[in-house]
Amino acid sequence: DGGITQSPKYLFRKEGQNVTLSCEQNLNHDAMYWYRQDPGQGLRLIYYSQIVNDFQKGDIAEGYSVSREKKESFPLTVTSAQKNPTAFYLCASSILGQGATYGYTFGSGTRLTVV
Amino acid sequence: SQQGEEDPQALSIQEGENATMNCSYKTSINNLQWYRQNSGRGLVHLILIRSNEREKHSGRLRVTLDTSKKSSSLLITASRAADTASYFCATPSIQGAQKLVFGQGTRLTINP
Repeated sequence: DGGITQSPKYLFRKEGQNVTLSCEQNLNHDAMYWYRQDPGQGLRLIYYSQIVNDFQKGDIAEGYSVSREKKESFPLTVTSAQKNPTAFYLCASSILGQGATYGYTFGSGTRLTVV
Repeated sequence: SQQGEEDPQALSIQEGENATMNCSYKTSINNLQWYRQNSGRGLVHLILIRSNEREKHSGRLRVTLDTSKKSSSLLITASRAADTASYFCATPSIQGAQKLVFGQGTRLTINP
């Protein structure tokens, strides 16, 4: 079955640590996205990528980094520079179309907690 | 950069009743999308309506779009307990942009 797999489902980070969230898709989608969701809130865009080896900052990119070495994979690193990383992280992918004219497919999310 | 805003923030109804959620947005768009999110899960795409469409149906879902008022509504008819979820509208951040901007969502509770 095609879809997006995020791992791990739960992740605990100590102060000062970098952690990497995995996102893999087998939908052959060109575009991939990372969103952050805080409790009871909407989604805020962290980074997105429309093609391998290229990505753009979203609205809240500070303290995060990404890579897109393969079409199928778009890992997100939460660095120690991100002062408030506790949140629910969602990865999505879509067909590349003019004006976001295709729906997104989302993964099941990773819940990151600072301990 | 928030584009869409849902109203109400929370809605609680009895099973079998209809549920209506509204979304307002600020700039011109070429489409508007609705998503559902069950608690602790990812979002699921429900329906996309293009700017040249006024109404669209999918099963028990009915979406309307009024580009003159920059607003959309999602109607769920004959609600079921399984419809309990948060519902989000999403629009392209600017005309022609590839990325979607999501609203804050409406939390819908269906009481048995």
